[in-house]
Amino acid sequence: KNEVEQSPQNLTAQEGEFITINCSYSVGISALHWLQQHPGGGIVSLFMLSSGKKKHGRLIATINIQEKHSSLHITASHPRDSAVYICAVTTIITGNQFYFGTGTSLTVIP
Amino acid sequence: DAGITQSPRHKVTETGTPVTLRCHQTENHRYMYWYRQDPGHGLRLIHYSYGVKDTDKGEVSDGYSVSRSKTEDFLLTLESATSSQTSVYFCAISVQGTDTQYFGPGTRLTVL
Repeated sequence: KNEVEQSPQNLTAQEGEFITINCSYSVGISALHWLQQHPGGGIVSLFMLSSGKKKHGRLIATINIQEKHSSLHITASHPRDSAVYICAVTTIITGNQFYFGTGTSLTVIP
Repeated sequence: DAGITQSPRHKVTETGTPVTLRCHQTENHRYMYWYRQDPGHGLRLIHYSYGVKDTDKGEVSDGYSVSRSKTEDFLLTLESATSSQTSVYFCAISVQGTDTQYFGPGTRLTVL
């Protein structure tokens, strides 16, 4: 059983659509991370959250600690947003070791 | 990118041969990690290091060994490569005092 579950696995959207990617976790966390990986590319950190909400440009990340759930939203999606989005958590017990979801592959069609 | 490089970036090798992948960082970070990424599995931890000569196993350590003789270099060795080790390998560092990890560009390894 994976400690981190993401949905959906694959997502196709039209340019301009509002996109939501979900992440649920089953362990006590110290922080939740959203990462982005472009095709053939490296992995970059988008957000680190321990509570509430963060916004960066068209990206918004929220977390509900009581429900053990986080969402990544993309407003006014663009083809350059096409990438794999990965949710990961660091736990209270294991410190800075990451536990990863399997990723959500997003394709935004012009 | 936290000054992380990986070498080689691509490698094709044959079953049974030894392979060493190198991760190099320029910023003196204490914690370093090796992951493999496979379709349907996401990123999985192979080994990690918390200092020179201090290493520990991760979730998928069988068939892999690591060494860290200098702060800046973390080596991953496949003693006898198998086809199941065909994967993309990522090195990462974490900044002490934060939970954030920074990833290297990855090494695509194909074992024939």
